[in-house]
Amino acid sequence: DGGITQSPKYLFRKEGQNVTLSCEQNLNHDAMYWYRQDPGQGLRLIYYSQIVNDFQKGDIAEGYSVSREKKESFPLTVTSAQKNPTAFYLCASSPRTGEDEQYFGPGTRLTVT
Amino acid sequence: RKEVEQDPGPFNVPEGATVAFNCTYSNSASQSFFWYRQDCRKEPKLLMSVYSSGNEDGRFTAQLNRASQYISLLIRDSKLSDSATYLCVVTRYSSASKIIFGSGTRLSIRP
Repeated sequence: DGGITQSPKYLFRKEGQNVTLSCEQNLNHDAMYWYRQDPGQGLRLIYYSQIVNDFQKGDIAEGYSVSREKKESFPLTVTSAQKNPTAFYLCASSPRTGEDEQYFGPGTRLTVT
Repeated sequence: RKEVEQDPGPFNVPEGATVAFNCTYSNSASQSFFWYRQDCRKEPKLLMSVYSSGNEDGRFTAQLNRASQYISLLIRDSKLSDSATYLCVVTRYSSASKIIFGSGTRLSIRP
């Protein structure tokens, strides 16, 4: 089955630790995205990638880093510099950038204490 | 002012009712429009794209009004399973950094 997978579903970390969230897609989509959602709020774009080995900052990139070494994979690292890392993180992909509908993974709930 | 605004609701309507909600956007250069549905603690799922001519999918109808800069979603004969948060998304062509999600409208259908 084609789709987007994210792991783990729930993640708990101590403050000051870096943590990497996984996102894999087998839809052969060029574009991939990372969003953050806080309770009662819409999604905010962290980073996106239009093609392998290229990625761009979104609206709230500070404290996060990404890589795109393979078309299928777009991992997100939440660094200790991110002041409020506890959130619901959603990865998405689309055939191309911008105008196409996006398909989302099931998300990772990160709790940092 | 937010670039994309939605009435947060909640809209609480009886089963079988018709319900409609709007999403306004401020940038007239916006080109693509979508409605997503998000269940509690789940990922958003595409409900429908919104075309200039409007489009219908079963009980759901989406329309775009460029002059007044809003999109709408109409749900007829609402079912209990329609209870969810509905997110509107506005994008500009070929600009991934300009994909804007609304905060969502919460809909609750009661028996």
